[in-house]
Amino acid sequence: AQSVTQLDSHVSVSEGTPVLLRCNYSSSYSPSLFWYVQHPNKGLQLLLKYTSAATLVKGINGFEAEFKKSETSFHLTKPSAHMSDAAEYFCVVRFTGNQFYFGTGTSLTVIP
Amino acid sequence: DTAVSQTPKYLVTQMGNDKSIKCEQNLGHDTMYWYKQDSKKFLKIMFSYNNKELIINETVPNRFSPKSPDKAHLNLHINSLELGDSAVYFCASSRRQGGPMGSGTDTQYFGPGTRLTVL
Repeated sequence: AQSVTQLDSHVSVSEGTPVLLRCNYSSSYSPSLFWYVQHPNKGLQLLLKYTSAATLVKGINGFEAEFKKSETSFHLTKPSAHMSDAAEYFCVVRFTGNQFYFGTGTSLTVIP
Repeated sequence: DTAVSQTPKYLVTQMGNDKSIKCEQNLGHDTMYWYKQDSKKFLKIMFSYNNKELIINETVPNRFSPKSPDKAHLNLHINSLELGDSAVYFCASSRRQGGPMGSGTDTQYFGPGTRLTVL
């Protein structure tokens, strides 16, 4: 069965410290992978996507994610958290066709 | 030059009413979607339309009906609104690549959302 799992529903970090948001998927296919961010009362904005050209993908606002096929993971990282990073983050996987599967989201809190 | 737009942004209505939410995209995409986001932020796909054909219809009550007059629009009609319909509804669009089972890395672009409150 195809699925996407965000392992942490809430992550709290101090400003200036690294961020790690985890995402795992289950599929027998090679999927397309995305991370979206949703700030409070806002729509979803694309952070980055995996295009199969490189396993380490750089996105906007200093975020990046690494595709690890052996671990079926696509974790999102940022070296130094900023207060403006506080938001909800969604890992999204497209397995085949036009079916996009959303993770349940990770709420990131940044402590000053 | 908004890519995906939705109207209205906020919608407050009484139980039992019928309402519509409009969505328009100017990206030239051929597939559009409706998602429902509940109070726990969980996003659930409701519908998608590709070239005027419904290709995904999850377990959504038939009170909800998508209508696509053309490739750039996918409107959501809701009949006999219920309290549980209160949520934020997002429209999105993407471009299909490589045919029905295409493996291209489509990216979905989302509208700003419509917050529906049923009283």
